[in-house]
Amino acid sequence: DTEVTQTPKHLVMGMTNKKSLKCEQHMGHRAMYWYKQKAKKPPELMFVYSYEKLSINESVPSRFSPECPNSSLLNLHLHALQPEDSALYLCASSQHHWRVNSPLHFGNGTRLTVT
Amino acid sequence: AQSVTQPDIHITVSEGASLELRCNYSYGATPYLFWYVQSPGQGLQLLLKYFSGDTLVQGIKGFEAEFKRSQSSFNLRKPSVHWSDAAEYFCAFEMTSGTYKYIFGTGTRLKVLA
Repeated sequence: DTEVTQTPKHLVMGMTNKKSLKCEQHMGHRAMYWYKQKAKKPPELMFVYSYEKLSINESVPSRFSPECPNSSLLNLHLHALQPEDSALYLCASSQHHWRVNSPLHFGNGTRLTVT
Repeated sequence: AQSVTQPDIHITVSEGASLELRCNYSYGATPYLFWYVQSPGQGLQLLLKYFSGDTLVQGIKGFEAEFKRSQSSFNLRKPSVHWSDAAEYFCAFEMTSGTYKYIFGTGTRLKVLA
């Protein structure tokens, strides 16, 4: 069983909808990540939170808005998405960012379809 | 530039046969290296990691990998493949300075024949 829990598992939304993806971990990790993965491709980093502060934004469009309410929770708010945003969205956590020897632990992802 | 190359996009092996998945990296320092496995519709699971010390590392599910600095390689091996090993395998390294980001290879899809 994965120790990083993502909800929902599947999401279908229209281009005018607002939705949120949620991620939770209880491993005491202080870094949390959002990755986007298209079919047959490796994960692409979107955001990194370290100690609940946004530390990396990989020039992600503003229609994606991350939020880290506390050290265990990570949200990704979605608004006015495009069909090309359809992908598997993966959350990950690690003990720390900005420090090596801290492997990523991934959730099972949310499969997002934008219609 | 930092990169990971997995030369084999697809590999097919028979159940019970041995397996080797290739991974080469390009980085200006010694990286921290990982192998992840992804089953269809799932997230990535850490198979093993190398930080330092013994260059032959053991992982879960009977996998091992060997770090060869002179070849900038970190190949994954398994002596006898099971049908449940069919999945996508990603090699990755963590940068040891700067952004500490992970660099992933493009993946190798393993198919196992019964």
